[in-house]
Amino acid sequence: QVQLVESGGGVVQPGGSLRLSCAASGFIFSNDNMHWVRQAPGKGLEWVAFIRFDGSDKYYVDSVKGRFTISRDNSKNTLYLQMNSLRAEDTAVYYCAKDSGGGHCYFDFWGQGTLVTVSS
Amino acid sequence: QTVVTQEPSFSVSPGGTVTLTCGLSSGSVSTTYYPSWYQQTPGQAPRTLIYTTNTRSSGVPDRFSGSILGNKAALTITGAQADDESDYYCVLYMGSGIWGFGGGTKLTVL
Repeated sequence: QVQLVESGGGVVQPGGSLRLSCAASGFIFSNDNMHWVRQAPGKGLEWVAFIRFDGSDKYYVDSVKGRFTISRDNSKNTLYLQMNSLRAEDTAVYYCAKDSGGGHCYFDFWGQGTLVTVSS
Repeated sequence: QTVVTQEPSFSVSPGGTVTLTCGLSSGSVSTTYYPSWYQQTPGQAPRTLIYTTNTRSSGVPDRFSGSILGNKAALTITGAQADDESDYYCVLYMGSGIWGFGGGTKLTVL
């Protein structure tokens, strides 16, 4: 079955950096587009970034453009989110999510999330 | 910037029917936005309920249904049960590689 396991969260100071990973299994990772979605404590879900199956296209929510970079290593079945210049408002649980494919434009599987806390 | 809107909260009696909606701050929602719906309970990852407006995800009970009502996407729960008490989020594909989440609706079953 599809499994997505995030890691790399933790506590970081404002202005610092962190790299999140999402290990994928149970499907052909190199065939599927992927997303990062986050949820600040007590708040709603927010789409963060998208990467096409081959890494050829990447899109971001405006609030993270220029600071976050989504990438993937299809040889390792792993999705990444490099987060630089972190701010307090980036504090959230970060979920990786598999894109449905087929032009249906939805998230069909989710990981359990990893918590990022930006605090001095 | 167009914002995806949802009712902040809703309540329904056990066995009752409730319709949650998903709109846009400017314009109308149509099937071309590929509306999808997710259920989330505290401390858990979201669960996919409905995609492409009205298709139920695998294992989702048929008391959940999706539609377009007027200028909004809608999620209807028919015969609400206690364990339907959750947060519900809609997502719209805004185009150009951008997805938008609604603010979520907290559903109370009482």
